[in-house]
Amino acid sequence: AQSVTQLDSQVPVFEEAPVELRCNYSSSVSVYLFWYVQYPNQGLQLLLKYLSGSTLVKGINGFEAEFNKSQTSFHLRKPSVHISDTAEYFCAVSDQLSGGSNYKLTFGKGTLLTVNP
Amino acid sequence: DTEVTQTPKHLVMGMTNKKSLKCEQHMGHRAMYWYKQKAKKPPELMFVYSYEKLSINESVPSRFSPECPNSSLLNLHLHALQPEDSALYLCASSQEGDRGTDTQYFGPGTRLTVL
Repeated sequence: AQSVTQLDSQVPVFEEAPVELRCNYSSSVSVYLFWYVQYPNQGLQLLLKYLSGSTLVKGINGFEAEFNKSQTSFHLRKPSVHISDTAEYFCAVSDQLSGGSNYKLTFGKGTLLTVNP
Repeated sequence: DTEVTQTPKHLVMGMTNKKSLKCEQHMGHRAMYWYKQKAKKPPELMFVYSYEKLSINESVPSRFSPECPNSSLLNLHLHALQPEDSALYLCASSQEGDRGTDTQYFGPGTRLTVL
């Protein structure tokens, strides 16, 4: 089974500062990685995904992530955050379910990004 | 359109009640999922439907009963729940269920409180 580890449970930053949210995945032959954001009392929204190809992936709301195979990492970055970026961020890996052909998302524990004025 | 809708938004029920959660998507997706999310935790998979057939049950207690009446609808029937079942229930869908590259699109969730 595949897994992801989010190293920081909380990341406080000031508005307009850069931010990096860290995610490491378990080594595998092929890996499909996703970042989702969850605003308070809402569902999950896809920020970006890495399936193959270019290791630098750009997503919505100015976020980007870099797939690094040698370090088994998929860190999320934004050069300048806004108050509205305050939310929970989940890194996830597509994980094939045993006994079948279906896949599920296995999530990290999440990182709470708090942007302060 | 990448919208998954869920009703109701909030639900409060007693331990002897029977209620249902509803999920709908009109993206032509053939896989649909139920996840349970406790506060400050990541979502946990409960069920997967692929082409309207239940393909995965992640050892969920029988007081939760899923149903997929057609390719656009997914229900979760609730009966004799326990207070520890209080959580945010998320529905998701993806184009297929058997490709690791598929993106799952999530609904806004139903906040369930069991008294």
